[in-house]
Amino acid sequence: AQSVAQPEDQVNVAEGNPLTVKCTYSVSGNPYLFWYVQYPNRGLQFLLKYITGDNLVKGSYGFEAEFNKSQTSFHLKKPSALVSDSALYFCAGGNAGNNRKLIWGLGTSLAVNP
Amino acid sequence: KAGVTQTPRYLIKTRGQQVTLSCSPISGHRSVSWYQQTPGQGLQFLFEYFSETQRNKGNFPGRFSGRQFSNSRSEMNVSTLELGDSALYLCASSSTGSDTGELFFGEGSRLTVL
Repeated sequence: AQSVAQPEDQVNVAEGNPLTVKCTYSVSGNPYLFWYVQYPNRGLQFLLKYITGDNLVKGSYGFEAEFNKSQTSFHLKKPSALVSDSALYFCAGGNAGNNRKLIWGLGTSLAVNP
Repeated sequence: KAGVTQTPRYLIKTRGQQVTLSCSPISGHRSVSWYQQTPGQGLQFLFEYFSETQRNKGNFPGRFSGRQFSNSRSEMNVSTLELGDSALYLCASSSTGSDTGELFFGEGSRLTVL
């Protein structure tokens, strides 16, 4: 069965430090991978996606993610965290053959401490 | 341009009742997908409509149904409400489809079932 996993329920990081939110996937074929962010009491906002091409994808608000096929990972990163980055982050994945369904991770709560 | 609009934002129902939620997508978007978000289960895919046709559905009972109108507005209905249906219901629109395109989410309809 295909799956997307976010192994950490919560990540804590100090403001100014680099942050990483982890995502691993099990998707057959060539995966499509996405990161979304959800601020409190709001809908999700698109951050970035990998469909094909460069393994390093740059997205909104200074975030980037690296597609690693050998490790089946798509970790979200930012060089210097801001308190305003505190939110819930979702990874999602799929492929063209997966009945056109995205599979969602359970989310990782990021807390950036001042 | 205007974002995705969901109504109502909050509602309280009792067990056994039914509820209808509405979603107006971004102008020009033909795909509308629906999700149930709960703290323990994360984001669960309900169904996707594209140009008035249901293109995909998740693993929810038949009590959950939806439709899309010719103007791309979508409704979802939940009949015979159960306590476990309490959740944030999110809809998202996309120009190309929920599997490969950037999703634009509404702020959600928070349903409480008593």
